[in-house]
Amino acid sequence: ILNVEQSPQSLHVQEGDSTNFTCSFPSSNFYALHWYRWETAKSPEALFVMTLNGDEKKKGRISATLNTKEGYSYLYIKGSQPEDSATYLCAFSGGPGANSKLTFGKGITLSVRP
Amino acid sequence: GAVVSQHPSRVICKSGTSVKIECRSLDFQATTMFWYRQFPKKSLMLMATSNEGSKATYEQGVEKDKFLINHASLTLSTLTVTSAHPEDSSFYICSARGRRGKWPQHFGDGTRLSIL
Repeated sequence: ILNVEQSPQSLHVQEGDSTNFTCSFPSSNFYALHWYRWETAKSPEALFVMTLNGDEKKKGRISATLNTKEGYSYLYIKGSQPEDSATYLCAFSGGPGANSKLTFGKGITLSVRP
Repeated sequence: GAVVSQHPSRVICKSGTSVKIECRSLDFQATTMFWYRQFPKKSLMLMATSNEGSKATYEQGVEKDKFLINHASLTLSTLTVTSAHPEDSSFYICSARGRRGKWPQHFGDGTRLSIL
């Protein structure tokens, strides 16, 4: 059974604070690591798909890094805003192909106070 | 961006009823669709993978006769919960990938199913 762990489980921060989350995953049979943002009553929105060790991706104030050898990824949000409040999911993929499955972590719920 | 529409968003029905949930890709052809279930405070758990025109592949422990999946076209997959019981109450969400399994996977909004 694949284990994808996310920490912390929830986070409450003040507007303007920077935050970071951790996703740990199996380092063997790695193919890709996915980050999603899931706002209440909406569908999960893909943020990043990362495949290469040392990969670093950025989208506005959000960035992510990947270490496939030790099996972790960090997601950073710089200068959090109330609209960043959401659940952030990571998912591990162990192979390519149309039917390759994503194994999800439980998610990290971020609340940003104005 | 790619859009996946899931309907209905919420269902409340009596025990013994069969419930159908639809998942449509609105602006791309979804070769592969995935159905997930989520219990409170748990992660999204894959139930089954379906490819257009072929039988779905179910994960271990998921009853295929209870959860019927049909993927008749490149834009539509349905999940039917047959003879639903209170223990089937959960959050169900679909996801789709385009041709050749192109990432990322795009998700619907989910369906909250409550069986009385």
